[in-house]
Amino acid sequence: DTGVSQDPRHKITKRGQNVTFRCDPISEHNRLYWYRQTLGQGPEFLTYFQNEAQLEKSRLLSDRFSAERPKGSFSTLEIQRTEQGDSAMYLCASSAGQGHSPLHFGNGTRLTVT
Amino acid sequence: AQSVTQLDSHVSVSEGTPVLLRCNYSSSYSPSLFWYVQHPNKGLQLLLKYTSAATLVKGINGFEAEFKKSETSFHLTKPSAHMSDAAEYFCVVSGGSYKLIFGSGTRLLVRP
Repeated sequence: DTGVSQDPRHKITKRGQNVTFRCDPISEHNRLYWYRQTLGQGPEFLTYFQNEAQLEKSRLLSDRFSAERPKGSFSTLEIQRTEQGDSAMYLCASSAGQGHSPLHFGNGTRLTVT
Repeated sequence: AQSVTQLDSHVSVSEGTPVLLRCNYSSSYSPSLFWYVQHPNKGLQLLLKYTSAATLVKGINGFEAEFKKSETSFHLTKPSAHMSDAAEYFCVVSGGSYKLIFGSGTRLLVRP
């Protein structure tokens, strides 16, 4: 069990640029989640996958955000035309997909939009 | 729909005294409930989980939580606080779907 891996750890970008983050879940986990956390707040659900199928997407996720998990393994989260309000920690988590299994989190990607 | 309310944004205790972090939940379904801890500059770690078995759940580092359906509560307790317990604690609910909804967090401060 190597844990959930996220890349990059930090990303600084200028407003209007596109960014893409990668998440590698624990290998035998079939559910993968993306959350966003801002300072002083709890993680906010963005979306989750069961294998390669995106089963739920938060209404808070604008059309500028897209996530994929093409082969049911790693996932990418892309933000197009970044805005300063997108600055946050983006967390990926995975679970074994047996009932309501707990999530195992990565260390996150911190995005700063200048 | 499901949600959690963490009743205190900050809790301060002295080392060696009991800890109580309060959480109320709302769920249209029979919920699964979790507590996670986040130490500064570290990832989220699962403390304990309730999934409709015993109502008193024991977790890591001496923490436990009791599920009370009549009160829709899932409070986190520890008999004796340690300096290393200082962190942010999140109560989490999972209901009809498999997404987990986090509370806003309680920052625990432990005074020497």
